[in-house]
Amino acid sequence: GAGVSQSPSNKVTEKGKDVELRCDPISGHTALYWYRQSLGQGLEFLIYFQGNSAPDKSGLPSDRFSAERTGGSVSTLTIQRTQQEDSAVYLCASSPGAGYSNQPQHFGDGTRLSIL
Amino acid sequence: AQSVTQLDSHVSVSEGTPVLLRCNYSSSYSPSLFWYVQHPNKGLQLLLKYTSAATLVKGINGFEAEFKKSETSFHLTKPSAHMSDAAEYFCVVTLDNFNKFYFGSGTKLNVKP
Repeated sequence: GAGVSQSPSNKVTEKGKDVELRCDPISGHTALYWYRQSLGQGLEFLIYFQGNSAPDKSGLPSDRFSAERTGGSVSTLTIQRTQQEDSAVYLCASSPGAGYSNQPQHFGDGTRLSIL
Repeated sequence: AQSVTQLDSHVSVSEGTPVLLRCNYSSSYSPSLFWYVQHPNKGLQLLLKYTSAATLVKGINGFEAEFKKSETSFHLTKPSAHMSDAAEYFCVVTLDNFNKFYFGSGTKLNVKP
């Protein structure tokens, strides 16, 4: 079946602009995660959704970052007034969710964001 | 508290020689453990997972890992490295039903011809 789909795959924008990154999880997966991976760095957790709710937003770096999920499916990560330090690869993952122990995350290929 | 430590940021081996990527975890509960691989410009791909059944877990591409509770380790091994194994590897721990995944900092594997 289809895996996790992220769009766009690449995004180049000017400093100060807003950007929206989209994640389409595996059908039926109720848990969805956003991570940021900066050049040469490991994965930085941003936010986790269970259904449409976000029980853990602890990783969002500033109030310029927000995310939503509608219909328990597609999620959008929005970065307002982008800064150069926001340049990174943004990865999305999904998993079956609460009640499904031992199930791994499945990752998309990421969106490579470059801020000029 | 839960955490994952990957002991080597870089490992370099020659093609055809064994691979050992080390991972230690700390967890107050019975964990689930995973290894992922990330090739350049790609997302993370699951290699294998430990789910409290057999302690020796076999994964894709000839990789395997052994869960050692007494050592709180979950090291990844492969008997013979291939050039295509050059990538970054992440060890991950989670707790059953908690949906929080803890990632190690990654180990970059270089395979020399």
